[in-house]
Amino acid sequence: GIQVEQSPPDLILQEGANSTLRCNFSDSVNNLQWFHQNPWGQLINLFYIPSGTKQNGRLSATTVATERYSLLYISSSQTTDSGVYFCAYSGAGSYQLTFGKGTKLSVIP
Amino acid sequence: GAGVSQSPSNKVTEKGKDVELRCDPISGHTALYWYRQSLGQGLEFLIYFQGNSAPDKSGLPSDRFSAERTGGSVSTLTIQRTQQEDSAVYLCASMGRSNGVMNTEAFFGQGTRLTVV
Repeated sequence: GIQVEQSPPDLILQEGANSTLRCNFSDSVNNLQWFHQNPWGQLINLFYIPSGTKQNGRLSATTVATERYSLLYISSSQTTDSGVYFCAYSGAGSYQLTFGKGTKLSVIP
Repeated sequence: GAGVSQSPSNKVTEKGKDVELRCDPISGHTALYWYRQSLGQGLEFLIYFQGNSAPDKSGLPSDRFSAERTGGSVSTLTIQRTQQEDSAVYLCASMGRSNGVMNTEAFFGQGTRLTVV
């Protein structure tokens, strides 16, 4: 079946540091999104990125569909970046979005 | 409204009772998802609606779970004879057309926290 694997599962950063989160998926991609779940549980979509590279402020994402992975970059991290980052994936011909188990990020001052 | 709205925000129910959870998607969005998230866990897919097509029910964990979407808009998730293991946050998301492409970004509601006692 469809597999979506995220790494690392946990990450602790000093404020100001940079980080890279990874999402591997098992098949060709129809939809790939990155979400941030804040400490209050709200899921915010960060990027819709089935291929290519996008940037939004301190965050950027790259998906290499042919190699079946996506990366989320966080630069100059802030304490407000803390939370869980999820990638969600659907394969070709499917709209069922499958979520990875997430990366729990803690940014300490 | 501007976003996905779910009600109630919190629901405490006794084991064995039925519950209904409601989702109002973003106006015009044709795709609607239900997920379940247990404490500290990831999101478990439950069901997907797309327009007038038959829903994808492959994630529903048992026949106690059912969902409807009336008029292509509001959706109701019903859990019959609730069990303690049904306790979780139930999340709804909708997707629509963006820049001419269908079903791109998913927008989530704030969720319904269900506690079965």
